[in-house]
Amino acid sequence: GAVVSQHPSRVICKSGTSVKIECRSLDFQATTMFWYRQFPKQSLMLMATSNEGSKATYEQGVEKDKFLINHASLTLSTLTVTSAHPEDSSFYICSVSLAGSEETQYFGPGTRLLVL
Amino acid sequence: AQSVTQLDSQVPVFEEAPVELRCNYSSSVSVYLFWYVQYPNQGLQLLLKYLSGSTLVKSINGFEAEFNKSQTSFHLRKPSVHISDTAEYFCAVSDLTSYNTDKLIFGTGTRLQVFP
Repeated sequence: GAVVSQHPSRVICKSGTSVKIECRSLDFQATTMFWYRQFPKQSLMLMATSNEGSKATYEQGVEKDKFLINHASLTLSTLTVTSAHPEDSSFYICSVSLAGSEETQYFGPGTRLLVL
Repeated sequence: AQSVTQLDSQVPVFEEAPVELRCNYSSSVSVYLFWYVQYPNQGLQLLLKYLSGSTLVKSINGFEAEFNKSQTSFHLRKPSVHISDTAEYFCAVSDLTSYNTDKLIFGTGTRLQVFP
């Protein structure tokens, strides 16, 4: 399977600031990248689907102007949480799928965001 | 909309005992089914998946799951657990009839705690 990294693993920021999270596919070119959010004791919720070179597709209820996704290359996608607020504190996880086996996703280790 | 139910939030079990983690999904339409495992402080890893063919699928570390279409279930079993199996287990489904067939819907997870 694919090896996926995320950076940073943990970030603490002040309310009103913006935070960028990187997701990298280290050993495969990813057809599609996904961004999830996981609140404590809850399941992963898909935020958006990102294809290289095109605009991300956001799930219902996810503000695209608040959660900016840039899929600049086949190995890198970034999620920017703009003007973060305490309620944005969560665990953000990315995943990738590969050409030829799009049904299977490989997950990054996640980024813990805490907004004070 | 598709949904996934993992009724047991926690399953405590002694080492070498058998275990079953339950998973039910809401629709009997064409689906792919997955079990992911999340070890402490790590990202989700694919444990096993059902795409088509034999309804019984197995992982390399002794887990198996059986797709039961009539009961819309995909329960995960292991005849004898090890301490190292302690982790969070997530069941997920992708709905092949939806606009985004790569979208995964996750259950809330089951925490398997293996005691010596």
